[in-house]
Amino acid sequence: DADVTQTPRNRITKTGKRIMLECSQTKGHDRMYWYRQDPGLGLRLIYYSFDVKDINKGEISDGYSVSRQAQAKFSLSLESAIPNQTALYFCATSDDGQGSGTEAFFGQGTRLTVV
Amino acid sequence: QKEVEQDPGPLSVPEGAIVSLNCTYSNSAFQYFMWYRQYSRKGPELLMYTYSSGNKEDGRFTAQVDKSSKYISLFIRDSQPSDSATYLCATVSGGYNKLIFGAGTRLAVHP
Repeated sequence: DADVTQTPRNRITKTGKRIMLECSQTKGHDRMYWYRQDPGLGLRLIYYSFDVKDINKGEISDGYSVSRQAQAKFSLSLESAIPNQTALYFCATSDDGQGSGTEAFFGQGTRLTVV
Repeated sequence: QKEVEQDPGPLSVPEGAIVSLNCTYSNSAFQYFMWYRQYSRKGPELLMYTYSSGNKEDGRFTAQVDKSSKYISLFIRDSQPSDSATYLCATVSGGYNKLIFGAGTRLAVHP
């Protein structure tokens, strides 16, 4: 089984609909992240959480919200989807990076299309 | 100015070539530098990391950091078609150790 699992893997939704992307992890890490990936723009951070009670906005949080339901679960919501939110979304986890840098472990990604 | 800049390519090379992938960064306080590899339809995976300046070698891969010019490089020797992927540089920012990624360079190694 994958250490970081994202559901769904693919989703097509209509403009204005609410959609939730889910992420669960078995790494035992406190830190979890949501990124979106667009061609030529790389990975851009949407939200990050360093523990259940600590949630922070990333560089492109407008139009998104998150919920950290437990240490192992971090979900991303689009309250009212719009076409320019069409992208590949990744959830990731990491440890606290003490002493050896920070390795992030990524899920397989969710390909979201808003029509 | 983005904190980490990377040319998205694409870069196409023949099998056996030496590949050089590069990034620049803006903040001299950055200490940890990483290279992630992402195959098509997969999430990125850590390939190598380095701390501060210098070189680190792992098989056909060498990561290099030049802090004086804020330049990081990944060299791939004897490139193989299986190296075809997107390579993302990354660093760690701030007291919260937040990861910052470059745009990624798409590499194609053709037989």
